[in-house]
Amino acid sequence: EVQLLESGGGLEQPGGSLRLSCVASGFIFSNYAMSWVRQPPGKGLEWVSTISGSGGSTYYADSVKGRFTLSRDNSKNTLSLQMKSLRAEDTAVYYCAKVLSGYNYGGFDYWGQGTLVTVSS
Amino acid sequence: QSVLTQPPSVSGAPGQRVTISCTGSSSNIGSAYDVHWYQQLPGTAPKLLIYGNINRPSGVPDRFSASKSGTSASLAITGLQAEDEADYYCQSYDRLSGVVFGGGTKLTVL
Repeated sequence: EVQLLESGGGLEQPGGSLRLSCVASGFIFSNYAMSWVRQPPGKGLEWVSTISGSGGSTYYADSVKGRFTLSRDNSKNTLSLQMKSLRAEDTAVYYCAKVLSGYNYGGFDYWGQGTLVTVSS
Repeated sequence: QSVLTQPPSVSGAPGQRVTISCTGSSSNIGSAYDVHWYQQLPGTAPKLLIYGNINRPSGVPDRFSASKSGTSASLAITGLQAEDEADYYCQSYDRLSGVVFGGGTKLTVL
């Protein structure tokens, strides 16, 4: 059974940093691209970033480019999102998602339960 | 303003058929990028409903179907049930923006 377990969310001040993690199980982690998708309270889904299975390629939404860094450790089945220079508009539930076989970016066939990031003073 | 446009809400009575449209442009759906659909029940993570324009993952009832034509896609739900009340999102890839989602459609079962 595929499982994605996120952690690391919380309350942070504007300009601060947070690191989100996602531990995967139930599939060969290194074979699949992985992504983060976020959802502001009461709003729709927004793609944040995707990393290839090898970790050699990363892609970012313009809204986070230069502030967020996505990485993975295939030996630990772990995905990490380092978030810096946080803004109020980064407040959202952040979902870790597995990219479908045969796709480089999306769709997403498995999702974690989400972790809430709140940016506020 | 989402790159993919969905109606904010649709509704239907139990047993009826409803459709949800997803309108894109020549830089996404019109460029032959696949469309995927997700269902998000209240308070839960999204769930993949349709992938690759028309394909249902194992376990998704055949009441759910989808199509794609030109710069648009559509999700159809037949035999509407109370448990189908949820938010529905389309998703594709855009040459300019990367992975893109529609704004979401809230389905109300009357």
